[in-house]
Formats: sequence, structure tokens, C-alpha cells
Amino acid sequence: GDSVVQTEGQVLPSEGDSLIVNCSYETTQYPSLFWFVQYPGEGPQLHLKAMKANDKGRNKGFEAMYRKETTSFHLEKDSVQESDSAVYFCALSDRPNRGSTLGRLYFGRGTQLTVWP
Amino acid sequence: DGGITQSPKYLFRKEGQNVTLSCEQNLNHDAMYWYRQDPGQGLRLIYYSQIVNDFQKGDIAEGYSVSREKKESFPLTVTSAQKNPTAFYLCASSNNRADIPPGNTIYFGEGSWLTVV
Repeated sequence: GDSVVQTEGQVLPSEGDSLIVNCSYETTQYPSLFWFVQYPGEGPQLHLKAMKANDKGRNKGFEAMYRKETTSFHLEKDSVQESDSAVYFCALSDRPNRGSTLGRLYFGRGTQLTVWP
Repeated sequence: DGGITQSPKYLFRKEGQNVTLSCEQNLNHDAMYWYRQDPGQGLRLIYYSQIVNDFQKGDIAEGYSVSREKKESFPLTVTSAQKNPTAFYLCASSNNRADIPPGNTIYFGEGSWLTVV
């Protein structure tokens, strides 16, 4: 079945450091890929997305490349800020039929990013 | 403003009681979802509905029930059969049509905290 594995636990960079949060997926189909961000006490928000292979999602200095050959969608940023601190979830979505581009989501377990000032 | 509204924010359930969590959206989205979030386990799908009057079980449907009588509403009932209901519950809706802007979008509500007392 479909699944997502991402860097687990906490990542503790200092402000200005570069960041990579790994995400790998398994599927027999051609999924869409997402990163969500969640702040304390809130629901997740869509952070960036890539709908097909070789697409790159971008948002607020973060990037993730949809790499079909390595089944990966790693989240990267050149220089993190304290305000980036949050929980990040990688997810994939299957496509229930030809007319739709989103179906149910499969989530990784989340990565707590805490940026030190 | 358009969005998803979940209520109540906090709910306490006694042993043997059924409780219903409300989810309403005014985004005109066809698809709606219920996820459960536990620490360290990411988000797990309970039920989802791609269209009015139709819904499917997710990965952890046992002890839960839903209905989708109206496009904008997708209530979740946590029954007494759910043995470990204490969790953070998230409702989401999506526009899964690429031809209807903005396509490929998904929004989460603010969540509902359920505690068994």
C-alpha cells in the first residue's frame, strides 16, 4: 500500500543553518506530494505541493523536488529562521479517478523543527 | 470568510457515551475527511467522503461513524465501541478538481480535542 517515511523526532538547527528534512514514499501509482506545517494547537496547513514528477514545490524559502527515480520529496531551506519552528508532515495523495487529482492523504509521522535563535 | 469550522474545540466524554464532532465547510468542496492525530503517529484517516451521500472507511474506522447528508457538513460520531478515543481530531476538505480553481487544494479545521473522563 501507499506509505510515507520522513525524518522522525526533532531537528534542532540554529538560525541561519541550512535544512534538509527527508521524505521517502512508496506507491504503485502516480501520486501528488505535499508538505504540511502545523503550529501548536492548530490544524495542519498546506505548505507546498508537487503534482507530478520533476515538479518543485516552493513556499517561504522552502523547496521540495518530486523525484520519481528516488521516490523522494525532501524539504530543503538554505537558511532557517526561528519563525520556521513547527511540526512538518510529508504526505502523498492517490488519485481516485481520472477526473480528480486529489484523493485521501497518507502522512508521515511528522518532524518537529525547532530553530535556535 | 470561507473555511472549515470544527466544534466543539474541547470535549469530554464519559465511559459508554457517544459523542458527535461537528465539521462544516463553506468552500464548496466535494471531498471531506476526518483524521485522528496522536503524538508520534502523524495523522491517521478515519473516514472520508468524495461526494454527498457517499463515504468510505479509512484506516482506523472501527468505533466511529459518519454521515454526509449535505455537501457542507460531515459530522463524526465517536461511539462507545472506540476503546481509546482520547485524541486530537481534524476535519479537512479538498477541491480535488484541477479544472476548478484553485485546484488541488486541501484545508484543515482547527481541530477538536476529545478526552475520556
